[in-house]
Amino acid sequence: DQQVKQNSPSLSVQEGRISILNCDYTNSMFDYFLWYKKYPAEGPTFLISISSIKDKNEDGRFTVFLNKSAKHLSLHIVPSQPGDSAVYFCADIQGAQKLVFGQGTRLTINP
Amino acid sequence: DGGITQSPKYLFRKEGQNVTLSCEQNLNHDAMYWYRQDPGQGLRLIYYSQIVNDFQKGDIAEGYSVSREKKESFPLTVTSAQKNPTAFYLCASMFVGQGVPGANVLTFGAGSRLTVL
Repeated sequence: DQQVKQNSPSLSVQEGRISILNCDYTNSMFDYFLWYKKYPAEGPTFLISISSIKDKNEDGRFTVFLNKSAKHLSLHIVPSQPGDSAVYFCADIQGAQKLVFGQGTRLTINP
Repeated sequence: DGGITQSPKYLFRKEGQNVTLSCEQNLNHDAMYWYRQDPGQGLRLIYYSQIVNDFQKGDIAEGYSVSREKKESFPLTVTSAQKNPTAFYLCASMFVGQGVPGANVLTFGAGSRLTVL
């Protein structure tokens, strides 16, 4: 049973515009979520996180929003840049410090 | 420089052979993890270890084995029982704590790509 779902396998955005990546979840134990960014043939790198005490967390061009009632989180990137082209994963911490990842969304920023 | 080193980066094996992927970290993290990435399926957890000499199965442990004899090392063996071993394998580690900057965030290695011929 997929606990974290990213329903859009790919997203294409024009440079300078806003990119919005979505993630839905079920049965989160701690309501603490992370976003990772991954380039081909490399390990994922941590981008930003959010916990249940907030509904928004911002770090430069990246903002994550959490809607607990809808069990939904989203990552906003503005303005989008060519270097943002990558696969983005959302993740949820389950028991015993175990991270469960979504399927990923491939973001392409077009010039 | 602190980090996680995975080796080899590329590995080829014939069907029926076991192969061991190395993962070493010098971050002094207690917890270590192995994930597998397949196209369209995200990252799936194979095994994880929260402390030396202890490890737990993840969601897709069948056909894999691990050991955790040292804090810094968490090697993964892909056995001949693994039916579909061709994949990109990622090792990660994490500092587990509360209210500490950087805690509860996985740090990943660069990955190892295994191809079964």
